[in-house]
Amino acid sequence: AQSVTQLGSHVSVSEGALVLLRCNYSSSVPPYLFWYVQYPNQGLQLLLKYTSAATLVKGINGFEAEFKKSETSFHLTKPSAHMSDAAEYFCAVRINNDMRFGAGTRLTVKP
Amino acid sequence: ETGVTQSPTHLIKTRGQQVTLRCSSQSGHNTVSWYQQALGQGPQFIFQYYREEENGRGNFPPRFSGLQFPNYSSELNVNALELDDSALYLCASSPPGTNINEQFFGPGTRLTVL
Repeated sequence: AQSVTQLGSHVSVSEGALVLLRCNYSSSVPPYLFWYVQYPNQGLQLLLKYTSAATLVKGINGFEAEFKKSETSFHLTKPSAHMSDAAEYFCAVRINNDMRFGAGTRLTVKP
Repeated sequence: ETGVTQSPTHLIKTRGQQVTLRCSSQSGHNTVSWYQQALGQGPQFIFQYYREEENGRGNFPPRFSGLQFPNYSSELNVNALELDDSALYLCASSPPGTNINEQFFGPGTRLTVL
């Protein structure tokens, strides 16, 4: 069955440091992969998506992710963390008409 | 352009009761998906509606049911509420022709079952 696994339920970085949030997927077919962000008391906002075009995908707010088939990974990165990046981040894979989400990674940014 | 809206924002029910949650999709969007997000977990797909018909369903029992109206707004109904139904319920709409690669989420309804 297709699914995603997010490694690390909590990640803490200092402001200005590199952000790396890990996601591995399992899929028997080429996947469609997504990263969403959720701020407190809000719904999910799409950061970026991979739909079998370029393997390096650029999203909003300076985030990007690289699809690596050999590693079955789709890790999310940002070169320099900002305080406003503190939120919950979800990796997801599309399966037919539904999205299957990971358990989420809470990002904390320290001043 | 108005985004996806959901009502109510919060709701408290007791075990065994029934609840109806509402979602207004973004203008021009004809597909609505519903998700359940338990505390500390990722959203889980409940079902999707396209042009008033159910168009996919996740691993939820039949007491979870839905409707989509001609204006593409949608309802999620849950019968015989259980304590484990306490969660944030998210609605997401998608525009025509893009399938669910383009989903826009509402802020959610937080349901507490006592």
